[in-house]
Amino acid sequence: QSALTQPASVSGSPGQSIAISCTGSSSDIGTYKYVSWYQQHPGKAPRLLLYEVSNRPSGISSRFSGSKSGNTASLTISGLQAEDEADYYCTSFGSSPVFGGGTKLTVL
Amino acid sequence: EVQLVESGGGLVQPGGSVRLSCAASGFTFSSFYMTWIRQAPGKGLEWVAHIKEDGSAQHYIDSVRGRFTISRDNAMKSLYLQMNSLRAEDTAVYYCVRDSGWYRFEYWGHGTLVTASS
Repeated sequence: QSALTQPASVSGSPGQSIAISCTGSSSDIGTYKYVSWYQQHPGKAPRLLLYEVSNRPSGISSRFSGSKSGNTASLTISGLQAEDEADYYCTSFGSSPVFGGGTKLTVL
Repeated sequence: EVQLVESGGGLVQPGGSVRLSCAASGFTFSSFYMTWIRQAPGKGLEWVAHIKEDGSAQHYIDSVRGRFTISRDNAMKSLYLQMNSLRAEDTAVYYCVRDSGWYRFEYWGHGTLVTASS
C-alpha cells in the first residue's frame, strides 16, 4: 500500500494562516481529485473537513481550504483560532485506502 | 441525523476473538460502502476493511486479512467486524465509518476500544 506523507507538526499564532502538505504519488493524489482531509481533537472521533480536494461539507468554516498540485495536496487554515489546535489527516483515492501519518497543529 | 453507534469492544486475550457491531440510522444504509477504521493509542488512523453496499465484496488491509471478517445486515442496518486470532498490535479504537464515495469518510461513530492483552 502506498503511503501519504505529512509533516509531523506545524504551528502558528492566532490570526495567521498555515498550510499542511500531503504528498503521495502518481497512483493516488497525482491522478485522482478525490483527496479528503480530517480534523481530530483529542479523545474525539475524526470529522471530515474537505473532500474532492477543496469541497467543504455543510457546517465547515470557510477558513478551511484545499488545493492540489501534482502529487501533493495542501490544507490551508486561515485566521487561526485556538479551537483549530488538533490533529489533521489526509487521504486519497488510489490503489487502496491509506491515510497520511497525521499532522499536529499547535496554536501558539 | 446520521448516527453510527459501535459496540462490542473490550479486553481480549491475545489469540482470542471479539465481534464489533455498528448500528446505523438516519440514512439509507444499503446505499453506501461501510468501513472500519482503527487508531492505536497515540497513533494515526488506519483503514482496516470495507464492504460493498450489498455485501458482495470486501477488502482488507494486509495485516488483518484472513483474521478479520467484515459483514453487514442491511435489513438490520448493521455493520460487523469479526476479529479472530487477535494480536497485541490490534489494540486500537475501532471506528465505524460511512464512505460517501471515493474514500470520502463522511460520518464516523464514536469508536469502540479493543485491547488485546493478557
